[in-house]
Amino acid sequence: QSVLTQPPSVSAAPGQKVTISCSGSRSNIGNNFVSWYQQLPGTAPKLLIYENNKRPSGIPDRFSGSKSGASATLGITGLQTGDEADYYCACATWNSSLSSGVFGGGTKLTVL
Amino acid sequence: QVTLRESGPALVKPTQTLTLTCTFSGFSLSTTGMCVSWIRQPPGKALEWLARIDWDDDKYYSTSLKPRLTISKDTSKNQVVLTMTNMDPVDTATYYCARYITTRPSFDFWGQGALVTVSS
Repeated sequence: QSVLTQPPSVSAAPGQKVTISCSGSRSNIGNNFVSWYQQLPGTAPKLLIYENNKRPSGIPDRFSGSKSGASATLGITGLQTGDEADYYCACATWNSSLSSGVFGGGTKLTVL
Repeated sequence: QVTLRESGPALVKPTQTLTLTCTFSGFSLSTTGMCVSWIRQPPGKALEWLARIDWDDDKYYSTSLKPRLTISKDTSKNQVVLTMTNMDPVDTATYYCARYITTRPSFDFWGQGALVTVSS
């Protein structure tokens, strides 16, 4: 059971916009950066967003991230069938030699 | 460019110890801020972070799995090794290693993953 809560699934039509939420607490999201990952079927996860809202080189601006309080949101506009994937949020606290609940439970995006 | 590759046994028996090696290139684990983490994913399930080792040899472990995990590095070989003791069928998963940079907190590069099945 992850400490970061994501909806199990979301869906939208091609060309539409979708948002995926990631809910945590003050101790994790509230005080740390959030990153987002896309996992296409049968492949390794890929970094989409880091430091809440920054995109690595090569990630299109259709993908965006935001954070407010203890929650974060991934937005995808202009949906394409190739966006069908699992999406994970991540937020780690490294206050000691232990950590837990780094990743959310994942959200499966279906492009109808 | 940055690459990571996991290697290790595809099949282990219950109670055995799993040893996985992450061999990387394109960065040095002696550079300040560089870290390597291990993350696993059981079939059809979510990602689970396991452990992290830093450039200065600081180590971090999953609270729930710490008693069973050991992470180490060989900077000269560009390798990070994870051992997990007392393997159980529930540990069947794809194991990934990924780079983590403390100054840009995220797992920015991932290996392709190594499927480990625990079965007698």
